[in-house]
Amino acid sequence: NAGVTQTPKFRILKIGQSMTLQCAQDMNHNYMYWYRQDPGMGLKLIYYSVGAGITDKGEVPNGYNVSRSTTEDFPLRLELAAPSQTSVYFCASTERRGGGYEQYFGPGTRLTVT
Amino acid sequence: DQQVKQNSPSLSVQEGRISILNCDYTNSMFDYFLWYKKYPAEGPTFLISISSIKDKNEDGRFTVFLNKSAKHLSLHIVPSQPGDSAVYFCAAKYAGNNRKLIWGLGTSLAVNP
Repeated sequence: NAGVTQTPKFRILKIGQSMTLQCAQDMNHNYMYWYRQDPGMGLKLIYYSVGAGITDKGEVPNGYNVSRSTTEDFPLRLELAAPSQTSVYFCASTERRGGGYEQYFGPGTRLTVT
Repeated sequence: DQQVKQNSPSLSVQEGRISILNCDYTNSMFDYFLWYKKYPAEGPTFLISISSIKDKNEDGRFTVFLNKSAKHLSLHIVPSQPGDSAVYFCAAKYAGNNRKLIWGLGTSLAVNP
């Protein structure tokens, strides 16, 4: 049971380039999330999904896109990278049922845009 | 507008003593609170949580206290160990069938041997 996995671990992009950050979970969780964490800041929600085929915007969605074609995968797409997108990106997942609301996180992707 | 506030960016304690990390919130619609621990270059990991209908929850060395009237919660670590050195985040969930979390900025805890 690998939990939540993210690839790549590190990436350097030039301004205007595009890339997809991959996220997968093997816990059969319905809810998945993408966050970014800037230095000295908390986690900001970019997009989330409540199940395959259903996605919604979080606090900071501009410049990003997501899709959720399967329960397991939730990729995050950056179309035209900007220096403001330099950050650490975390993917997380959680159960739909039950009283616990804890989210399980991947190890993160450190992205630098220059 | 920060709805979940961790006003101490850092905290330093001696090994074996108690660590107390604080968190204040502004929205009375929060009904569930969580603490996460984060080591450098890793994702946050869940530590302990508390429902708004309780005022205390314990798990081993970790205890979370909730004071709803003051909109304040605290995480106590007793005894503190060097391996507890990490950034601790407080997070809150709105009431209802909503699984989005609102996060504080974190407190960096250093436990000195």
